[in-house]
Amino acid sequence: GAVVSQHPSRVICKSGTSVKIECRSLDFQATTMFWYRQFPKQSLMLMATSNEGSKATYEQGVEKDKFLINHASLTLSTLTVTSAHPEDSSFYICSALQANTGELFFGEGSRLTVL
Amino acid sequence: QQQVKQSPQSLIVQKGGISIINCAYENTAFDYFPWYQQFPGKGPALLIAIRPDVSEKKEGRFTISFNKSAKQFSLHIMDSQPGDSATYFCAASIRSSGRGSTFGEGTQLTVNP
Repeated sequence: GAVVSQHPSRVICKSGTSVKIECRSLDFQATTMFWYRQFPKQSLMLMATSNEGSKATYEQGVEKDKFLINHASLTLSTLTVTSAHPEDSSFYICSALQANTGELFFGEGSRLTVL
Repeated sequence: QQQVKQSPQSLIVQKGGISIINCAYENTAFDYFPWYQQFPGKGPALLIAIRPDVSEKKEGRFTISFNKSAKQFSLHIMDSQPGDSATYFCAASIRSSGRGSTFGEGTQLTVNP
């Protein structure tokens, strides 16, 4: 299957700092990528849809100024958690949509811990 | 707003047994129904998927059964193995919408040796 690379896999930061997570589709161009958040033993919650060359579409209740998304190329989307706080600690997962098949391929996830 | 409901929440099966996980959806516009397998600390991996124009799809030990009129679909894992122990998520999406999939709540499967 297609490969989606996510980096970093783990990050620990101090409260008030900003953290950037990268999501790359390695073997196909993805005009659309998605960012999910997952709490322990819970399902994936869609945060936003990232479209190459345009503004991201955020789900209801997700602060767009807190979670900045940039999709500058067909293979890279970034999520920046700004002024992180302990409640932002979570598992963040990206996925890339393979347009011709409609299949979603997921990254390995990034575990953010805010101290 | 939970558009995809999944059950059971957890499931324990003996090695060699059949694991069955069920999902029900509300939005009749959904036209793509994947199942994902997730191990702890990892992202979900696509296991098998079905489109609503077929009632069953089988890949190896994994089978999806789809009932369009009931708006339900299920995953059957035949000859379950300890290595199948993971969390399984069903999902649904509208392929033409360009939106992310809506996930079920997940089922934690444990296959005992």
